[in-house]
Amino acid sequence: DGGITQSPKYLFRKEGQNVTLSCEQNLNHDAMYWYRQDPGQGLRLIYYSQIVNDFQKGDIAEGYSVSREKKESFPLTVTSAQKNPTAFYLCASSRRWSNQPQHFGDGTRLSIL
Amino acid sequence: GIQVEQSPPDLILQEGANSTLRCNFSDSVNNLQWFHQNPWGQLINLFYIPSGTKQNGRLSATTVATERYSLLYISSSQTTDSGVYFCAVERPDNQGGKLIFGQGTELSVKP
Repeated sequence: DGGITQSPKYLFRKEGQNVTLSCEQNLNHDAMYWYRQDPGQGLRLIYYSQIVNDFQKGDIAEGYSVSREKKESFPLTVTSAQKNPTAFYLCASSRRWSNQPQHFGDGTRLSIL
Repeated sequence: GIQVEQSPPDLILQEGANSTLRCNFSDSVNNLQWFHQNPWGQLINLFYIPSGTKQNGRLSATTVATERYSLLYISSSQTTDSGVYFCAVERPDNQGGKLIFGQGTELSVKP
């Protein structure tokens, strides 16, 4: 079935460690997005990519990095510079970069050890 | 920036009851979507509805873009409808489908 796969479902980070969250889609969508959700809150945009080899910062990009080397994949790295990384991370994709419905993966819960 | 406000913040219903959730936005939008987040965190796309009315089973949505609001109707609610309902909008001048989310309405349906 077509969809968006995020892995792992749960991730623990030690102090000073970088961790990478995986997002893969087989929907042939051009655009991909990373959002962060804190408890009791809506989602906030971290990074987005309209096309392969291109990406832009969202509203809360500090402490995060991404790459878009393949159309299907948009991994997110949470660096040690992100001082409050504990959150629920959701990846989304859409057919094109604007005016299109976005579809979401099942998310990754990141916690600090 | 654009503001998205959802009401009510919390709602408790008995199974079988009907409800209306509201989303107000402060500026013109390109795109409006309603999502349901279940207790496991999965975010399901319910409607893509920048204007007009759509129906899908017991759920329907109406967006009146000129008056800057959208409504989500849930009829004959079931316990599986529980979770958080989010409204999200995209500004017309945005580059790249950047959705701005409201704070959500948390719905609890009791058997």
